[in-house]
Amino acid sequence: QQQVKQSPQSLIVQKGGISIINCAYENTAFDYFPWYQQFPGKGPALLIAIRPDVSEKKEGRFTISFNKSAKQFSLHIMDSQPGDSATYFCAASPDSNYQLIWGAGTKLIIKP
Amino acid sequence: GAVVSQHPSRVICKSGTSVKIECRSLDFQATTMFWYRQFPKQSLMLMATSNEGSKATYEQGVEKDKFLINHASLTLSTLTVTSAHPEDSSFYICSARSVDDEGTSSGNTIYFGEGSWLTVV
Repeated sequence: QQQVKQSPQSLIVQKGGISIINCAYENTAFDYFPWYQQFPGKGPALLIAIRPDVSEKKEGRFTISFNKSAKQFSLHIMDSQPGDSATYFCAASPDSNYQLIWGAGTKLIIKP
Repeated sequence: GAVVSQHPSRVICKSGTSVKIECRSLDFQATTMFWYRQFPKQSLMLMATSNEGSKATYEQGVEKDKFLINHASLTLSTLTVTSAHPEDSSFYICSARSVDDEGTSSGNTIYFGEGSWLTVV
């Protein structure tokens, strides 16, 4: 029940295309869903986050879509650029302890 | 956004020695800090949760006597790897939760440090 399942494991997208990464969770106590971007040899950086009271949040080219009934959330990267090539992690956290439960990560490669 | 600083970014130590990694929140106070270990091409593995002024809570399988965590102030937590061995070589990352965001919709915002590469030779 604590797991967060992330897919795909790796993704190759052409420059200018839309990158979509999906995550699913079981624990209904989760109420905070962030996405992190990690470049090789660096710590994760918070990209965008959403709470269950909204179904979508957009920041620039990055959008989170959230489906509470399906217990799924996804990251969409519009107009994907080579500089977006990184590993992306979804996570979930209950309000009670702020401990992040991590997805396995998706290695995204944007081809020029 | 908030900044979390880790030091050193890279360290090489001899087997049997101890090494300390610092995690500082630079522009906010953090009652809770988290320490992670990450192996190549894998997700982050939570080692322990550090609360200011109290003992750290370790995850199952993490040796508390080997990985000493101290959270002496609202802006500093340290991880000391004692009697390091080559198998302790890894990427260690800390994160911090901003107290300033308490009670707001962003109260769960967690900020990460840049990570520290430890190589034990």
